Amino acid sequence: QLQLQESGPGLVKPSETLSLTCSVSGGSISSGSYYWGWIRQPPGKGLEWIGTIFYSGSTYYNPSLKSRVTLSVDTSRNQFSLNLSSVTAADTAVYYCARVNTGSYYNFDYWGQGTLVTVSS
Amino acid sequence: DIQMTQSPSSLSASVGDRVTITCRASQNISPYLNWYQQKPGKAPKLLIYAASSLESGVPSRFSGNGSGTDFTLTVSSLQPEDFATYHCQQSYSSPYSFGQGTKVEIK
Repeated sequence: QLQLQESGPGLVKPSETLSLTCSVSGGSISSGSYYWGWIRQPPGKGLEWIGTIFYSGSTYYNPSLKSRVTLSVDTSRNQFSLNLSSVTAADTAVYYCARVNTGSYYNFDYWGQGTLVTVSS
Repeated sequence: DIQMTQSPSSLSASVGDRVTITCRASQNISPYLNWYQQKPGKAPKLLIYAASSLESGVPSRFSGNGSGTDFTLTVSSLQPEDFATYHCQQSYSSPYSFGQGTKVEIK
């Protein structure tokens, strides 16, 4: 059974960089059949797609965040990561990593449990 | 960007009720529409993809319908475990946007 687990600091100061890692178990991130993505949800609000990465390193970003987001992948560790720079309070959210099933009309079929990141001094 | 609008934002229903949630896209996205269920403190769970295809393991009381810009998620007989928030999501084009969610509460 595929499992995803987010990890990283729960508190980040304004103007600094938010860094999270998603560890994948029960399947290979290099299988080539799937992409891997990040989605966030501010407290009490809806979901926002942040970006998607392929094991080869190809990336696709939400234009609203593109100037501040970098996704990367480490196939040797079966992990992929999110860096979000110059954070403000508006970036406070639960951050989810997910598998992107592009073979079924592009959906997020497996999700991590999510990790709350608070931006505050 | 494609805007997704769900209605209603919330609803109250009883166990056994038939419940329908609507999702409208700002342009034609057929059939690139997915539905997710989210319970408090948990990650979303994929229910329906490609507008009407049931994800493996999802009970058959859930169904999706629609085309073009208008889509629906129906629960034929609401069960206690179905009280949750439901989100639609378009996968027609980037950025892959979600609706604001519909909270289904116990009457």
